[in-house]
Amino acid sequence: AQRVTQPEKLLSVFKGAPVELKCNYSYSGSPELFWYVQYSRQRLQLLLRHISRESIKGFTADLNKGETSFHLKKPFAQEEDSAMYYCALNMNTGFQKLVFGTGTRLLVSP
Amino acid sequence: DAGVTQSPTHLIKTRGQQVTLRCSPKSGHDTVSWYQQALGQGPQFIFQYYEEEERQRGNFPDRFSGHQFPNYSSELNVNALLLGDSALYLCASSGGGLVNTGELFFGEGSRLTVL
Repeated sequence: AQRVTQPEKLLSVFKGAPVELKCNYSYSGSPELFWYVQYSRQRLQLLLRHISRESIKGFTADLNKGETSFHLKKPFAQEEDSAMYYCALNMNTGFQKLVFGTGTRLLVSP
Repeated sequence: DAGVTQSPTHLIKTRGQQVTLRCSPKSGHDTVSWYQQALGQGPQFIFQYYEEEERQRGNFPDRFSGHQFPNYSSELNVNALLLGDSALYLCASSGGGLVNTGELFFGEGSRLTVL
């Protein structure tokens, strides 16, 4: 069955430290993967998608099909990065039917 | 553009009752998806509506039903409420054709508490 695993519920780092939020997926087809973010008192919103291969707010994520991973990385964390991060897998590229992980709360301390 | 709007924001029901949640998609979007987010969990796909028809459904019982109107707005109905239905219900919209970037736009959700 399709599944997205985010092993860490909470990741706490100091400002300026590197960040890596882990995401592993289980899917037999060709995956389409996303990172969504929810800042305090805001709605869930797209951060980045693997097909774009872009850097958003300093974050990057590389799809590793061999390890079935899509880890989110940032070299220098900022306090404003504190938020809930969800990794999501699209099971049907025609219909945007997402399977979400349980989320990782990133807390960046000054 | 107000983005995706949902109503009501909070509601309390008792077991066995029925509830209707409403969603207006982002301007220009024609597809509405509903997700259930239990406490401490990620959103879970319920179903998706396009052209007033349900075209994808997640692993939810028939107590969960929906509707899409000609103006693309949507309703989620849950019958015979159970305690386990307590959750945040999220509506997400996306566009077809040229506006389809593959991104889902989420509303702020309707928090349902079943007592």
